[in-house]
Formats: sequence, structure tokens, C-alpha cells
Amino acid sequence: KAGVTQTPRYLIKTRGQQVTLSCSPISGHRSVSWYQQTPGQGLQFLFEYFSETQRNKGNFPGRFSGRQFSNSRSEMNVSTLELGDSALYLCASSWTLPLEPELFFGEGSRLTVL
Amino acid sequence: GENVEQHPSTLSVQEGDSAVIKCTYSDSASNYFPWYKQELGKRPQLIIDIRSNVGEKKDQRIAVTLNKTAKHFSLHITETQPEDSAVYFCAASWDSGSARQLTFGSGTQLTVLP
Repeated sequence: KAGVTQTPRYLIKTRGQQVTLSCSPISGHRSVSWYQQTPGQGLQFLFEYFSETQRNKGNFPGRFSGRQFSNSRSEMNVSTLELGDSALYLCASSWTLPLEPELFFGEGSRLTVL
Repeated sequence: GENVEQHPSTLSVQEGDSAVIKCTYSDSASNYFPWYKQELGKRPQLIIDIRSNVGEKKDQRIAVTLNKTAKHFSLHITETQPEDSAVYFCAASWDSGSARQLTFGSGTQLTVLP
């Protein structure tokens, strides 16, 4: 079974630009979550989507947005990039059943903002 | 919202010794506590989890304990090996069955010295 796939793996942007990251979940998984990972800050929750609906949202500014398509693939967008947005952005998919709570992470998209 | 604190941030042990990582959480409604391991350059992966109706869970050399009253949980690794070297993240969430938002600790860099 294919794992969670994220694209692109690496990207460099400049301040003020916007970026779109893509995530393809494991087949059958309908929940997709996004996390920002920075040194010393651990994994910060961005948002979670299920059946094209955002169910949860973390404490990030409105510049961070996302969406999910009918095939469960998800994208996140960051507009008006700031230097502090440089991070590894991890996508995770999961079943939505209480007895199957494990998150399966992708390898991440490493964003560098210059 | 939930807040998870993790200690220590770095931990070095001799091969064969035990390692203990501790986390505290703030939301008494949290009922699910997973631990993820992230090797250098790799994606986080679930290594063990525990629910609030259980006080302890073991899986070979790994164990997790939970004290609901004190709102803290710990990861115990016995007979450590070099391949245990990684960053370990604890997390907490409440499980409504229809939505889940994991709050992660800031991570512990474990180094097992040969």
C-alpha cells in the first residue's frame, strides 16, 4: 500500500510570495491533517480535513489555508510568506474510527523563505 | 486548548541503559496519548499509545505509563540500542469519534551512546 505522498519535497520562496503544498493520503484514509515542524517547537497543528470539510483548525493566522478534494487529496496554501514560515510541513492521514487513531505522516515539504 | 509539555529536550544514555521521557497535559478531557518517533530525516512514526482507561502499556522494550490524576504520562525505553537514537514526541488528544486534534510536545532528542 502506498504511503502518504507530499509534493514538492523542497522549495524556496521569497517573502511576500505564496506557496501551495499537496498531500495524497493513504488509499481509504479520509482524514488529512497538516502540521508545521520547526526546531524547538515540535509539531504544531494547522488544520484537519475530512470529507472536504475542515473539522479542526490550529492557532495559525489566516494566511494559512487548506482544502480537501473529493478524492481525499489535500492542499495547503500559505500567502504573503514571512521568514518565520520556513519550516517542514507535514501531512498526515488516518482512518476516522476511534479504534484506529494512528497518524501516518508523509515525508514533508521543506519550505525555505528568503 | 490543550497544552503538552515534554521533558527533557535532550537526553543521552549509554547503550543498554534505560531512558525515560515525561510529558504533562492540561486538558482533563484528553483521553488518547500517543508517542511518535522521528529518526533523522525521516517521517514521525507511531511507536506506542495509551488510552485514559489504561494505566500502563508495554511493547517489548517500550512502555508507557499514564497518571490521569496528575495529568502526566511517560515513555520508558529499556535496554537502549543505537537505533533508538531519534526525536520522540508525546501527544494528547480527546477523541470524539468524529474529530481529532493531536497536540504534540516539543520533542526529546534521545542519543544512545555506544
